[in-house]
Amino acid sequence: SYELTQSPSVSVSPGQTAVITCSGDKLGDKSVSWYQRKAGQSPVLLIFRDDKRPSRIPERFSGSNSGNTATLTISATQALDEADYYCQAWDRSSVEFGGGTKLTVL
Amino acid sequence: EMQLVESGGGAVQPGGSLRLSCAASGFTFDDYAMHWVRQTPGKGLEWVSVISGDGSHTKYADSVKGRFTISRDNSRNSLYLQMDSLRTEDTALYYCAKDGATIPLYYFDSWGQGTLVPVSS
Repeated sequence: SYELTQSPSVSVSPGQTAVITCSGDKLGDKSVSWYQRKAGQSPVLLIFRDDKRPSRIPERFSGSNSGNTATLTISATQALDEADYYCQAWDRSSVEFGGGTKLTVL
Repeated sequence: EMQLVESGGGAVQPGGSLRLSCAASGFTFDDYAMHWVRQTPGKGLEWVSVISGDGSHTKYADSVKGRFTISRDNSRNSLYLQMDSLRTEDTALYYCAKDGATIPLYYFDSWGQGTLVPVSS
C-alpha cells in the first residue's frame, strides 16, 4: 500500500510561519488535500487538489505539491491554529492519509 | 449550512453486523459523491468507501471489500454503510464525509461528528 509520512510534531511561535510536510513516493503525481482537526472536533478541509483553498479558509493557509513532498504553510500562525494536521493523497489506485502532525503554538 | 449527522454505531461482537446511517442537509445531496472515513486508534484516518452522486459507482478499501456495502437514498438525503463480518480491527469512529463533486475527486469538504463502532467479544 502507498505510505504518506508526516513529522509527528511541529512547534512555532505566534506570528511566525509554520511549515508542515508530507512525503511519499512520486507524491507530486497525486492529488493532495490537507485537513485540520482540533481536539474533540471533526476534521476540516483546508486545502484540496494540492493548492486550492475553500472559500471559508483564511488566506494564511496555502499548499503546494511537487516531487515527493507536499507542503502546508500557515502564515502568521495564531494560537487558534494549534491542532492536528493530516495530509491525504489520491490517485486512481489509492486513497491514503498521513499519520498527522501536531502543531504546537508556543 | 451543510450538516451531516451519523447514527447507528454501537458495540458489536466479532462476526456481527451493523448498519450506519448519515442524514445530510444544507446542500443538494444527489449532486455529490459521499464517503465513509474511519478513525482508528492505531492507524489514524482511513478511507473506507465512496459512492457517486447517482449511486451508480462504488469503491471500497481493500480492508473492507466484500464485507461492507455502501448505499444511498437520494429521496431521503441519506447515506448508509452496511457492515458485515465485523472484526476487532474495524473498531473505529466512523465519519460520513461529502466529496467536492458528483464523480468522486476524493477530497472531503464536510464531515459529520462521527459514530463509534467498538467491536469486541
